[in-house]
Amino acid sequence: DTEVTQTPKHLVMGMTNKKSLKCEQHMGHRAMYWYKQKAKKPPELMFVYSYEKLSINESVPSRFSPECPNSSLLNLHLHALQPEDSALYLCASSQVVPGTDRGSGQPQHFGDGTRLSIL
Amino acid sequence: AQSVAQPEDQVNVAEGNPLTVKCTYSVSGNPYLFWYVQYPNRGLQFLLKYITGDNLVKGSYGFEAEFNKSQTSFHLKKPSALVSDSALYFCAVRGRVGANNLFFGTGTRLTVIP
Repeated sequence: DTEVTQTPKHLVMGMTNKKSLKCEQHMGHRAMYWYKQKAKKPPELMFVYSYEKLSINESVPSRFSPECPNSSLLNLHLHALQPEDSALYLCASSQVVPGTDRGSGQPQHFGDGTRLSIL
Repeated sequence: AQSVAQPEDQVNVAEGNPLTVKCTYSVSGNPYLFWYVQYPNRGLQFLLKYITGDNLVKGSYGFEAEFNKSQTSFHLKKPSALVSDSALYFCAVRGRVGANNLFFGTGTRLTVIP
């Protein structure tokens, strides 16, 4: 069992729908991430939250809207997606050691992902 | 820019034989390097990392990796492969200095043949 829980595991939606992906961790990690992974490809970073604040947005289209309501939860709101957005969406979390460069050497813990299909 | 390369898409090895999955890196500054494994329909699992210290890093499930600065490599190794090691392996490097993001290599599919 993974320590990062993602729901739902599968999601099929139309291009006009609005849906949300959810991620939860209780390891006390203060950095959380969203990745997109296409089949047989490496994960691509979308967003990074550090201490519940958005710290990195890798030029993701606005139809993806992240939200970090508290230190344990991370959401990804979806609206007006395109067929090419079909992918596995992975959430991850890691410790943050503030004030040190070594903080960025903490391993990330991944959930099992949400497999998203856009019709 | 930080990047890693995995030159082999596929590695096949017989059960019980040693295995090596290759990774080379290109970074500015000190390299923070990681190996992750992904089983079908699962997320990524952390295996090991190199930040500083001994060049030989030991990780989970009997895996180890050797950091070689002169060859800019960070190859993953295991002395005796198991069929259950068959999976997709990703090498990764930290992004900007002080940042938490990772850049992944293209992945190597390891198949251990019984």
